[in-house]
Amino acid sequence: KQEVTQIPAALSVPEGENLVLNCSFTDSAIYNLQWFRQDPGKGLTSLLLIQSSQREQTSGRLNASLDKSSGRSTLYIAASQPGDSATYLCAVKLGNQFYFGTGTSLTVIP
Amino acid sequence: EAGVAQSPRYKIIEKRQSVAFWCNPISGHATLYWYQQILGQGPKLLIQFQNNGVVDDSQLPKDRFSAERLKGVDSTLKIQPAKLEDSAVYLCASSLDRGRWREQYFGPGTRLTVT
Repeated sequence: KQEVTQIPAALSVPEGENLVLNCSFTDSAIYNLQWFRQDPGKGLTSLLLIQSSQREQTSGRLNASLDKSSGRSTLYIAASQPGDSATYLCAVKLGNQFYFGTGTSLTVIP
Repeated sequence: EAGVAQSPRYKIIEKRQSVAFWCNPISGHATLYWYQQILGQGPKLLIQFQNNGVVDDSQLPKDRFSAERLKGVDSTLKIQPAKLEDSAVYLCASSLDRGRWREQYFGPGTRLTVT
């Protein structure tokens, strides 16, 4: 069974800092990996989707990388803003199943 | 483009009662997913539909949970009878199809409290 781990569980940074969130998975035979953000009481918003054949994807201040062989992905957020405060989840697709991590709760302090 | 719609947003029931949730996916999205997210955990996929057929329901507790997607559009998820451990947020998501390159789009969820 696929295990997805996210470290750290919580992170607090001052506004303007660059930061990295980590996601690791045990089975490297994934189809893709997706990063989401979840705001309190709301559903998930897709941020970036990386196919298994890709190494990274970028959108604005966000950059996600994927290293399938080592079972790792990182989400890099540049110049963090208070509006980035949310829980960030990664999910991997393996066969017909999707496996989510438990998330990293990010707080950006003004 | 309208997003994924879910109702109700909140539901409180007593154990052993029944409850149903409704989901309307993004127009044109063939694939629909139901997830259960328990507080402090990541979402767990319960069932996946491609049009009105079931692709995967391996993690659906079939003794008490059921889901259908008649006509390949809207879907309902039912719990009968509910247990305390069913308290969670139930999320519906959709994607254009179930290909590996397809992003999932989520609705706001239904928060269920079983007392």
